[in-house]
Amino acid sequence: EAQVTQNPRYLITVTGKKLTVTCSQNMNHEYMSWYRQDPGLGLRQIYYSMNVEVTDKGDVPEGYKVSRKEKRNFPLILESPSPNQTSLYFCASSPRGPTDTEAFFGQGTRLTVV
Amino acid sequence: GDSVTQMEGPVTLSEEAFLTINCTYTATGYPSLFWYVQYPGEGLQLLLKATKADDKGSNKGFEATYRKETTSFHLEKGSVQVSDSAVYFCALSGTTDSWGKLQFGAGTQVVVTP
Repeated sequence: EAQVTQNPRYLITVTGKKLTVTCSQNMNHEYMSWYRQDPGLGLRQIYYSMNVEVTDKGDVPEGYKVSRKEKRNFPLILESPSPNQTSLYFCASSPRGPTDTEAFFGQGTRLTVV
Repeated sequence: GDSVTQMEGPVTLSEEAFLTINCTYTATGYPSLFWYVQYPGEGLQLLLKATKADDKGSNKGFEATYRKETTSFHLEKGSVQVSDSAVYFCALSGTTDSWGKLQFGAGTQVVVTP
């Protein structure tokens, strides 16, 4: 089944403890991206990647890191999480960019930083 | 920068009622326009899209027409079902400002009661 898989689905952590949210897609898509969803703000892009080893900042990249060492995986790294990073996170992928081709989203990771 | 404005929810309807969700946008250039839907506990999925002025996107009984003169992309469905209860996001992409991303509105929650 074609899908975008995020792990974990739920995570509660403490301020300053490094964490990684994994994202994997099995559709051989070139493009991958991370968004965060907050009430009243919709989804905002954190980082995106047009291909392996190519990443770029989105609208809200502060406090996050990403890497794209292989096509299928695009992990999101929070080196020192803070409470303002409490949010619902979505990974997305598409064959090229999201303008020309449908974006497929994972089920989301709900992160709480205390 | 580019932005998308949606009507606030929640919108509560009875089954078989007519649904309209207003969406207007501000963009430099000529964006592609999208409606994505998020069912409870799931990621977003593409509902419909339009890539140029006067295009009509349609899917699952939903329709939206790209109106360049009013910078709008309102979503409509003639007869909603309980299964249409979800959060609906209007989005744009494809301009210089929104290259590589989907620029989302805040989302509109729709609740359909039997």
